[in-house]
Amino acid sequence: DAGVIQSPRHEVTEMGQEVTLRCKPISGHNSLFWYRQTMMRGLELLIYFNNNVPIDDSGMPEDRFSAKMPNASFSTLKIQPSEPRDSAVYFCASSSIRGQGNYGYTFGSGTRLTVV
Amino acid sequence: AQSVSQHNHHVILSEAASLELGCNYSYGGTVNLFWYVQYPGQHLQLLLKYFSGDPLVKGIKGFEAEFIKSKFSFNLRKPSVQWSDTAEYFCAVRAGNTPLVFGKGTRLSVIA
Repeated sequence: DAGVIQSPRHEVTEMGQEVTLRCKPISGHNSLFWYRQTMMRGLELLIYFNNNVPIDDSGMPEDRFSAKMPNASFSTLKIQPSEPRDSAVYFCASSSIRGQGNYGYTFGSGTRLTVV
Repeated sequence: AQSVSQHNHHVILSEAASLELGCNYSYGGTVNLFWYVQYPGQHLQLLLKYFSGDPLVKGIKGFEAEFIKSKFSFNLRKPSVQWSDTAEYFCAVRAGNTPLVFGKGTRLSVIA
């Protein structure tokens, strides 16, 4: 298994531009999570999906952030327009609903976003 | 909602020293507890987990953690650290069907 795959690994963009981050969860996992990591705030849960349905997006900081999961093997996190304070590492993680307590999550390698 | 506190922001140890990283959580019910490790430039990896049974949990690379329910704690320990243990360590808690909540992490620097 290739694990959770995120792309791109690094993204540098100018303020005001649209940014799209992508995630492919582990095959068979039916829960997907987007986290943001910064020095100041640590790991923050932005949104999560069960069976492709968004369950809780209360962690999404603003309306500029949106996430979709059109099918079981793909999810996107979009920021439009981007701002310098969005600079962070964005992690995607997946798990099976029944296995979360026993096995935790499998994380992707993250996307390091820099907005200049 | 549950929360996780990691007391130490940055710990510096010499090789072969013993390690204990503190983790306390706030939630009165049944929880699953985890420690993750993030090596420089890499993603988070599961170090060990507790969900039931023996409160002393052994993980990979010689790490262990003890769940003390009365203290709401799940401290991470290792008897003798190595330079390769230099990383950031995250404690996480899951209550019921809610997602994992992470502490802010503790950065461990091991010096020769």
